[in-house]
Amino acid sequence: DTGVSQDPRHKITKRGQNVTFRCDPISEHNRLYWYRQTLGQGPEFLTYFQNEAQLEKSRLLSDRFSAERPKGSFSTLEIQRTEQGDSAMYLCASSFPGQGSYNEQFFGPGTRLTVL
Amino acid sequence: KQEVTQIPAALSVPEGENLVLNCSFTDSAIYNLQWFRQDPGKGLTSLLLIQSSQREQTSGRLNASLDKSSGRSTLYIAASQPGDSATYLCAVKKTSYDKVIFGPGTSLSVIP
Repeated sequence: DTGVSQDPRHKITKRGQNVTFRCDPISEHNRLYWYRQTLGQGPEFLTYFQNEAQLEKSRLLSDRFSAERPKGSFSTLEIQRTEQGDSAMYLCASSFPGQGSYNEQFFGPGTRLTVL
Repeated sequence: KQEVTQIPAALSVPEGENLVLNCSFTDSAIYNLQWFRQDPGKGLTSLLLIQSSQREQTSGRLNASLDKSSGRSTLYIAASQPGDSATYLCAVKKTSYDKVIFGPGTSLSVIP
């Protein structure tokens, strides 16, 4: 499978716990994006990496959230001291600015987080 | 700030009907517009991508049009089938490397 993969697919945690999600982009895709989708809404942008550099962060990304892409390949998204409002689907996407690709973002299956 | 809206929020049609989903965006300075499909609890499947210089794209029973100047796009689904039941999301990008801004989606139910 050469698509974007995310792990875990589902995570249930208790309020106050820390959680970490992983995203593996399509090989050679240098851009990686994180989005969050709450029930009944479209996904909302969280943050974006070009290689290992985090270039943009949304105001949705509070100081309890941290994202990394240390080697410019996979990325992790950590949420500290989870709150019930963090319950959502977390989507990862990757893209490659090659000629003719239009830098199209390809999305992974998402990680469903439930905070009890 | 770009805002994307979709009408209707939900739609229920009998099998075989042709239908149109609508998308509007407030800033016409877009790089491209994309339609996605999302099944319950699943990720996003790209259906059609229209560059800002294009007027429409077609794939099978799907046809998407773009009127950038008026800030509108439509997704036309011909001869709907129960398997088309899903949420359809419209999304735009301001530049090639920018984040995608999504609408809230239209939930489609095709009744056998």
